Amino acid sequence: QVQLVQSGAEVKQPGASVKISCKASGYTFTSFYLHWVRQSPGQGLEWVGLMSPRGGITSNAQKFEGRVFFTSDTSTNTVYMELTRLTSDDTAIYYCARDHAVAAGACEHWGLGTLVTVSS
Amino acid sequence: EVVLTQSPGTLSLSPGESATLSCKASQRVGSNYLAWYQQKPGQTPRLLIYGASSRATGIPDKFSGSGSGTDFILTIDRLEPEDSALYYCQQYGSSMYTFGQGTKLEI
Repeated sequence: QVQLVQSGAEVKQPGASVKISCKASGYTFTSFYLHWVRQSPGQGLEWVGLMSPRGGITSNAQKFEGRVFFTSDTSTNTVYMELTRLTSDDTAIYYCARDHAVAAGACEHWGLGTLVTVSS
Repeated sequence: EVVLTQSPGTLSLSPGESATLSCKASQRVGSNYLAWYQQKPGQTPRLLIYGASSRATGIPDKFSGSGSGTDFILTIDRLEPEDSALYYCQQYGSSMYTFGQGTKLEI
């Protein structure tokens, strides 16, 4: 079955960067886009961006432009999201999610999330 | 960017009733690429509906989606206490996807 296993919680200082991983299994890694969605404490879902694990195709929400970077390692079936210049507003659970098998863009499978806390 | 506005913010209903949740887009959603998710406290979101009206795998037929263009509806029939959750719409018809702010359903 499809599994997305994310890296553990992180605590960062303002201005630092964080890099979160998401290891996929149970399907052909390069066949589906992976999304990143975040949820601030007590708040709703916010789409951060997506990438094709094949590489070369990424998209991100405008508010993260120039601050978020996506990479993948096809040898380990892992995607990474790096968020730079962190502020307290970036404190959130970050989820990776895989595209639906038919409806590319809808997130069918989700990781359990990685809590990122930004605090001095 | 396409802004999605969900209403009502909170909906309180009794078991057995039906719920109607609205999602309005600031501009037309391309190809009606609109999804609905359910999120219970402490859990990850669960895809309910994609393409505005297609149920995801394993989703019971009490959940149904409708609408097109800028106006979309999620209907939940025969409400049960376990349907209490936050419900989010998401559009994926443009290059930058967006979520609505959510509707809290209390049974």
